[in-house]
Amino acid sequence: EAGVAQSPRYKIIEKRQSVAFWCNPISGHATLYWYQQILGQGPKLLIQFQNNGVVDDSQLPKDRFSAERLKGVDSTLKIQPAKLEDSAVYLCASTPGTSGGPTYEQYFGPGTRLTVT
Amino acid sequence: DQQVKQNSPSLSVQEGRISILNCDYTNSMFDYFLWYKKYPAEGPTFLISISSIKDKNEDGRFTVFLNKSAKHLSLHIVPSQPGDSAVYFCAATNENSGNTPLVFGKGTRLSVIA
Repeated sequence: EAGVAQSPRYKIIEKRQSVAFWCNPISGHATLYWYQQILGQGPKLLIQFQNNGVVDDSQLPKDRFSAERLKGVDSTLKIQPAKLEDSAVYLCASTPGTSGGPTYEQYFGPGTRLTVT
Repeated sequence: DQQVKQNSPSLSVQEGRISILNCDYTNSMFDYFLWYKKYPAEGPTFLISISSIKDKNEDGRFTVFLNKSAKHLSLHIVPSQPGDSAVYFCAATNENSGNTPLVFGKGTRLSVIA
């Protein structure tokens, strides 16, 4: 079974520029998560999708971050404009999770390391 | 405020010995706990979990202990192997909330010395 795919793996941009990350979850997984992991911290949830609907985006800085999951499969996370403090690894994860049930074991992608200069 | 705390940023253990990684939580609504392992340049991978109805769960060399009254859990690795060297994250959630995001600690870097 193929794992969670993310691209790009690395991205360097200047502040105020825009950037987008892509995630392809494990086939058949209904629930998709985007996390931000700042160096020395644990992953912090940004947004959770159930199929193509948003379940939780309470920690997403909506003035600059946006995410979508069209057709309930792939997802993109965008930052516009980027700030220095957005430098982090952005992780995508998925679970089979039906009907917003227990999270249990989330399967993570390798992440995208973003550096904002 | 940190709801899940891993107070030891790093731990070094001799190969063959026991590794004990600790985790404390403050939110009494948490009732399901997980440990993830992370190698450099890879995403975290699920290791072991425990529900609050249990106080111990074992899987091979890995055992997780939960002390609900102390809001404390620990991961024991016996015997430790060099391949266990990684960052270990403790995570917690509320199983019954329906929408169950994971809350992660900051991680503990384990180094197993041959």
